[in-house]
Amino acid sequence: NAGVTQTPKFQVLKTGQSMTLQCAQDMNHNSMYWYRQDPGMGLRLIYYSASEGTTDKGEVPNGYNVSRLNKREFSLRLESAAPSQTSVYFCASRAERRVGDTQYFGPGTRLTVL
Amino acid sequence: GQQVMQIPQYQHVQEGEDFTTYCNSSTTLSNIQWYKQRPGGHPVFLIQLVKSGEVKKQKRLTFQFGEAKKNSSLHITATQTTDVGTYFCAGPIFGNEKLTFGTGTRLTIIP
Repeated sequence: NAGVTQTPKFQVLKTGQSMTLQCAQDMNHNSMYWYRQDPGMGLRLIYYSASEGTTDKGEVPNGYNVSRLNKREFSLRLESAAPSQTSVYFCASRAERRVGDTQYFGPGTRLTVL
Repeated sequence: GQQVMQIPQYQHVQEGEDFTTYCNSSTTLSNIQWYKQRPGGHPVFLIQLVKSGEVKKQKRLTFQFGEAKKNSSLHITATQTTDVGTYFCAGPIFGNEKLTFGTGTRLTIIP
């Protein structure tokens, strides 16, 4: 099992450019998440998907869109990148257990917007 | 505002010293989870606490969940260089589908 995979690992964009971050998991999890991590801010939830076909906003959704393509894949799109979106982006999926859940994270995408 | 606070934000310790990070939630939690992120890496699940007053140990790491289920702590005894990283607590403040992460405590070890 590869767990959670993300592409690309690194990306540099110019202001106004668009791009899509890809995420896939092979653990048959229902829920998937996109976070951004900035220094001193911890992990902040951008969007999540509780099941195939559903998506919901998290704490910081502005400037982003998501697509839950199927149960395995959850993509994050920046339509018009801004320097404030420079961050490390993590995708995660959730293992649902009888008591409490665990999130598994991908390796991250380091995005710089110039 | 931040619903889950962690202190301290940074901690530098000599190798062999103990380390503690504290986590406080604005609301009662059904459970609390701890994650570790190595420099340049991604968060990795360490443990989950569910019961009021629960204490769990993983080798040199001791995790506690407060009686009111609003706070938690992670204590590392006799730190080693492999303990370097940022430790996050997280709880389902806005429902079980979502975790709210604390700001993290970054631990550095002085050899």
